[in-house]
Amino acid sequence: GQNIDQPTEMTATEGAIVQINCTYQTSGFNGLFWYQQHAGEAPTFLSYNVLDGLEEKGRFSSFLSRSKGYSYLLLKELQMKDSASYLCAVRDSNYQLIWGAGTKLIIKP
Amino acid sequence: NAGVTQTPKFRVLKTGQSMTLLCAQDMNHEYMYWYRQDPGMGLRLIHYSVGEGTTAKGEVPDGYNVSRLKKQNFLLGLESAAPSQTSVYFCASSLSGSGANVLTFGAGSRLTVL
Repeated sequence: GQNIDQPTEMTATEGAIVQINCTYQTSGFNGLFWYQQHAGEAPTFLSYNVLDGLEEKGRFSSFLSRSKGYSYLLLKELQMKDSASYLCAVRDSNYQLIWGAGTKLIIKP
Repeated sequence: NAGVTQTPKFRVLKTGQSMTLLCAQDMNHEYMYWYRQDPGMGLRLIHYSVGEGTTAKGEVPDGYNVSRLKKQNFLLGLESAAPSQTSVYFCASSLSGSGANVLTFGAGSRLTVL
């Protein structure tokens, strides 16, 4: 079966750096997405990786290793507004998106 | 620019009742999706559409039906609601289903079946 694993919950301090990991086993690979979802709201797009390496976008970066079935989302200079769930999703060989359960990130002052 | 609009935002049903969730997008997207989100689980695809007049089953289609009569609208129907269908439902749309095409989500519809 297809599976995406993420930690259920993480806690970090305002101003610090946090890394959220995502490992996947899917039928093929056609890209990996990270979405942010604040409580009670819709998911919103953060990043997309299809080739190995690091994609940087402001305070957020996303890394992909296809050979290891692994990605991480790196958040720098954490702000209270970064408290949210972070969803990892992989597009499989049928171009269907497979979603992880999400990582709830709690930011403490 | 409204993006993706879902109605209603909240609904309480009794077991056996029927209802329709409405989704409208104004971005001229070809693809539209209905997902459900339950605690501790990833988003699960119910049905999707790759264009006006077409629909296809997703991962968890049982108990739901959909229609896409117009490109901008995607309707999700529950014919006979069951408590297991208590969930938050998200509609989403995208230009296509490949590459870096990003999904734009609606605000969600919280459904409770008693």
